[in-house]
Amino acid sequence: DTAVSQTPKYLVTQMGNDKSIKCEQNLGHDTMYWYKQDSKKFLKIMFSYNNKELIINETVPNRFSPKSPDKAHLNLHINSLELGDSAVYFCASSLAAWSPYGELFFGEGSRLTVL
Amino acid sequence: AQKITQTQPGMFVQEKEAVTLDCTYDTSDPSYGLFWYKQPSSGEMIFLIYQGSYDQQNATEGRYSLNFQKARKSANLVISASQLGDSAMYFCAMRGLTGTASKLTFGTGTRLQVTL
Repeated sequence: DTAVSQTPKYLVTQMGNDKSIKCEQNLGHDTMYWYKQDSKKFLKIMFSYNNKELIINETVPNRFSPKSPDKAHLNLHINSLELGDSAVYFCASSLAAWSPYGELFFGEGSRLTVL
Repeated sequence: AQKITQTQPGMFVQEKEAVTLDCTYDTSDPSYGLFWYKQPSSGEMIFLIYQGSYDQQNATEGRYSLNFQKARKSANLVISASQLGDSAMYFCAMRGLTGTASKLTFGTGTRLQVTL
Protein backbone atom coordinates (compact mmCIF):
# COMPACT_ATOMS: atom_id res chain seq x y z
CA ASP A 1 0.00 0.00 0.00
CA THR A 2 1.61 3.26 -1.17
CA ALA A 3 2.14 5.69 1.72
CA VAL A 4 2.10 8.90 -0.33
CA SER A 5 0.54 8.65 -3.77
CA GLN A 6 0.31 11.28 -6.47
CA THR A 7 -1.69 11.37 -9.67
CA PRO A 8 -1.00 11.72 -12.46
CA LYS A 9 2.63 10.66 -12.70
CA TYR A 10 3.05 12.36 -16.05
CA LEU A 11 1.36 15.41 -17.56
CA VAL A 12 2.08 16.86 -20.96
CA THR A 13 0.15 19.97 -21.82
CA GLN A 14 0.18 23.18 -23.82
CA MET A 15 1.10 26.63 -22.55
CA GLY A 16 -1.89 28.48 -21.18
CA ASN A 17 -3.75 25.38 -20.02
CA ASP A 18 -4.80 24.63 -16.45
CA LYS A 19 -3.84 21.38 -14.73
CA SER A 20 -4.15 19.73 -11.34
CA ILE A 21 -2.07 17.21 -9.43
CA LYS A 22 -3.60 15.20 -6.61
CA CYS A 23 -1.89 13.77 -3.56
CA GLU A 24 -3.07 11.41 -0.86
CA GLN A 25 -1.27 10.00 2.17
CA ASN A 26 -2.36 7.07 4.31
CA LEU A 27 0.21 7.54 7.07
CA GLY A 28 -2.07 9.51 9.37
CA HIS A 29 0.25 12.52 9.19
CA ASP A 30 -0.97 16.02 9.96
CA THR A 31 1.35 17.88 7.61
CA MET A 32 1.68 17.78 3.83
CA TYR A 33 3.94 19.61 1.41
CA TRP A 34 4.46 20.42 -2.25
CA TYR A 35 8.03 20.58 -3.54
CA LYS A 36 9.22 21.49 -7.02
CA GLN A 37 12.29 19.84 -8.54
CA ASP A 38 13.69 21.76 -11.49
CA SER A 39 15.73 20.52 -14.43
CA LYS A 40 18.94 20.86 -12.39
CA LYS A 41 17.44 18.58 -9.73
CA PHE A 42 17.12 21.35 -7.17
CA LEU A 43 14.27 20.75 -4.73
CA LYS A 44 12.41 23.72 -3.35
CA ILE A 45 9.42 23.86 -1.06
CA MET A 46 6.32 25.55 -2.41
CA PHE A 47 3.58 25.04 0.15
CA SER A 48 2.80 23.22 3.35
CA TYR A 49 -0.49 22.45 5.05
CA ASN A 50 -1.06 21.32 8.59
CA ASN A 51 -4.44 19.71 9.17
CA LYS A 52 -5.99 21.63 6.26
CA GLU A 53 -4.43 24.96 7.22
CA LEU A 54 -1.83 26.65 5.01
CA ILE A 55 1.32 27.18 7.07
CA ILE A 56 4.07 27.66 4.51
CA ASN A 57 3.63 29.66 1.34
CA GLU A 58 6.92 30.35 -0.39
CA THR A 59 7.28 32.94 -3.14
CA VAL A 60 5.28 31.05 -5.71
CA PRO A 61 3.27 32.72 -8.53
CA ASN A 62 -0.43 33.16 -7.84
CA ARG A 63 -1.13 30.78 -10.70
CA PHE A 64 -0.32 27.98 -8.25
CA SER A 65 -3.10 27.25 -5.81
CA PRO A 66 -2.95 24.42 -3.31
CA LYS A 67 -6.01 23.00 -1.66
CA SER A 68 -6.35 20.55 1.22
CA PRO A 69 -9.88 19.16 1.60
CA ASP A 70 -8.76 17.08 4.59
CA LYS A 71 -5.48 16.27 6.26
CA ALA A 72 -4.91 13.20 4.09
CA HIS A 73 -5.21 15.05 0.78
CA LEU A 74 -3.35 17.92 -0.79
CA ASN A 75 -3.96 19.02 -4.35
CA LEU A 76 -2.11 21.50 -6.54
CA HIS A 77 -3.85 23.44 -9.25
CA ILE A 78 -1.85 25.42 -11.78
CA ASN A 79 -3.49 28.05 -14.00
CA SER A 80 -2.19 29.44 -17.27
CA LEU A 81 0.76 27.09 -17.49
CA GLU A 82 4.09 28.50 -18.66
CA LEU A 83 7.16 26.80 -20.09
CA GLY A 84 9.03 27.46 -16.85
CA ASP A 85 6.51 25.38 -14.91
CA SER A 86 7.95 22.24 -16.46
CA ALA A 87 9.38 20.29 -13.52
CA VAL A 88 8.77 17.33 -11.27
CA TYR A 89 6.36 18.14 -8.46
CA PHE A 90 6.67 16.10 -5.29
CA CYS A 91 4.09 15.75 -2.59
CA ALA A 92 5.33 14.82 0.88
CA SER A 93 3.99 14.33 4.37
CA SER A 94 5.35 14.38 7.90
CA LEU A 95 4.07 13.65 11.36
CA ALA A 96 4.33 17.18 12.73
CA ALA A 97 4.72 20.65 11.31
CA TRP A 98 6.32 22.22 14.34
CA SER A 99 9.23 19.91 14.98
CA PRO A 100 12.59 19.83 13.19
CA TYR A 101 12.77 16.10 13.82
CA GLY A 102 11.21 13.39 11.75
CA GLU A 103 11.64 12.74 8.06
CA LEU A 104 9.36 13.68 5.22
CA PHE A 105 7.81 10.88 3.22
CA PHE A 106 7.69 11.65 -0.48
CA GLY A 107 5.38 10.57 -3.25
CA GLU A 108 6.80 9.31 -6.53
CA GLY A 109 6.58 12.71 -8.18
CA SER A 110 4.51 14.10 -11.03
CA ARG A 111 6.48 15.12 -14.09
CA LEU A 112 4.87 18.13 -15.77
CA THR A 113 5.95 19.06 -19.28
CA VAL A 114 4.62 22.29 -20.77
CA LEU A 115 4.95 22.62 -24.55
CA ALA B 1 17.66 31.25 7.20
CA GLN B 2 18.87 27.75 6.57
CA LYS B 3 21.46 26.80 4.00
CA ILE B 4 22.78 23.41 2.90
CA THR B 5 25.93 23.15 0.79
CA GLN B 6 27.00 20.10 -1.15
CA THR B 7 30.23 20.90 -2.94
CA GLN B 8 30.60 17.65 -4.91
CA PRO B 9 28.39 17.69 -8.00
CA GLY B 10 29.61 14.19 -8.93
CA MET B 11 31.55 11.37 -7.34
CA PHE B 12 32.84 8.02 -8.55
CA VAL B 13 33.52 5.02 -6.34
CA GLN B 14 34.47 1.45 -7.07
CA GLU B 15 32.19 -1.34 -6.01
CA LYS B 16 32.85 -2.56 -2.45
CA GLU B 17 34.74 0.62 -1.55
CA ALA B 18 33.54 3.23 0.96
CA VAL B 19 32.62 6.75 -0.12
CA THR B 20 31.98 9.99 1.74
CA LEU B 21 29.54 12.57 0.44
CA ASP B 22 30.09 16.01 1.91
CA CYS B 23 27.47 18.28 3.39
CA THR B 24 27.82 21.51 5.35
CA TYR B 25 25.00 23.53 6.75
CA ASP B 26 24.27 26.92 8.21
CA THR B 27 21.44 27.79 10.55
CA SER B 28 20.64 29.96 13.51
CA ASP B 29 18.03 27.52 14.81
CA PRO B 30 18.92 26.11 18.24
CA SER B 31 17.64 22.68 17.28
CA TYR B 32 17.44 21.06 13.90
CA GLY B 33 17.47 17.75 12.09
CA LEU B 34 19.80 16.64 9.32
CA PHE B 35 18.70 14.15 6.67
CA TRP B 36 20.01 12.33 3.66
CA TYR B 37 17.82 11.24 0.78
CA LYS B 38 18.63 9.10 -2.25
CA GLN B 39 17.07 9.70 -5.63
CA PRO B 40 17.73 6.89 -8.13
CA SER B 41 17.19 7.36 -11.85
CA SER B 42 13.61 6.17 -11.39
CA GLY B 43 12.96 9.47 -9.61
CA GLU B 44 11.56 8.63 -6.20
CA MET B 45 12.95 10.21 -3.04
CA ILE B 46 14.15 7.61 -0.56
CA PHE B 47 14.91 8.58 3.03
CA LEU B 48 18.25 7.13 4.19
CA ILE B 49 19.30 8.49 7.54
CA TYR B 50 18.61 11.19 10.12
CA GLN B 51 20.63 13.00 12.79
CA GLY B 52 19.19 15.28 15.43
CA SER B 53 21.24 18.28 16.46
CA TYR B 54 21.27 17.15 20.08
CA ASP B 55 22.18 13.54 19.35
CA GLN B 56 25.52 12.68 20.90
CA GLN B 57 26.21 9.69 18.72
CA ASN B 58 26.48 9.59 14.96
CA ALA B 59 23.52 7.95 13.27
CA THR B 60 23.95 4.64 11.45
CA GLU B 61 21.54 2.68 9.26
CA GLY B 62 22.99 -0.44 7.75
CA ARG B 63 25.70 0.60 5.31
CA TYR B 64 24.93 4.28 5.82
CA SER B 65 26.42 6.40 8.57
CA LEU B 66 26.25 10.10 9.16
CA ASN B 67 29.47 11.78 10.30
CA PHE B 68 28.06 14.66 12.32
CA GLN B 69 30.49 17.37 13.41
CA LYS B 70 28.42 20.07 15.02
CA ALA B 71 31.20 22.57 15.61
CA ARG B 72 32.17 22.39 11.94
CA LYS B 73 28.51 22.33 10.86
CA SER B 74 29.04 19.29 8.72
CA ALA B 75 26.92 16.19 8.23
CA ASN B 76 28.72 13.93 5.79
CA LEU B 77 27.19 10.68 4.57
CA VAL B 78 29.42 7.64 4.53
CA ILE B 79 28.39 4.67 2.43
CA SER B 80 30.37 1.54 3.16
CA ALA B 81 30.85 -1.39 0.77
CA SER B 82 29.34 0.43 -2.22
CA GLN B 83 27.03 -1.50 -4.50
CA LEU B 84 26.03 -0.83 -8.10
CA GLY B 85 22.54 -0.03 -6.86
CA ASP B 86 23.93 2.88 -4.86
CA SER B 87 24.38 4.86 -8.09
CA ALA B 88 21.99 7.78 -7.66
CA MET B 89 21.63 11.42 -6.66
CA TYR B 90 22.10 12.03 -2.96
CA PHE B 91 20.60 15.02 -1.22
CA CYS B 92 21.53 16.41 2.15
CA ALA B 93 18.71 18.29 3.84
CA MET B 94 18.01 20.14 7.03
CA ARG B 95 14.88 20.78 8.96
CA GLY B 96 14.80 23.62 11.43
CA LEU B 97 12.15 25.92 12.75
CA THR B 98 11.68 28.98 10.61
CA GLY B 99 8.92 31.29 11.63
CA THR B 100 6.02 29.17 12.74
CA ALA B 101 6.64 25.98 10.84
CA SER B 102 9.38 23.54 10.07
CA LYS B 103 10.41 22.97 6.48
CA LEU B 104 12.98 20.70 4.88
CA THR B 105 15.66 22.58 2.95
CA PHE B 106 17.75 20.66 0.43
CA GLY B 107 21.26 20.97 -0.90
CA THR B 108 21.99 20.80 -4.62
CA GLY B 109 22.81 17.11 -4.52
CA THR B 110 25.74 14.85 -5.40
CA ARG B 111 25.52 12.34 -8.20
CA LEU B 112 27.25 9.12 -7.17
CA GLN B 113 28.37 6.62 -9.75
CA VAL B 114 29.48 3.18 -8.57
CA THR B 115 31.80 1.40 -11.00
CA LEU B 116 32.92 -2.21 -11.31
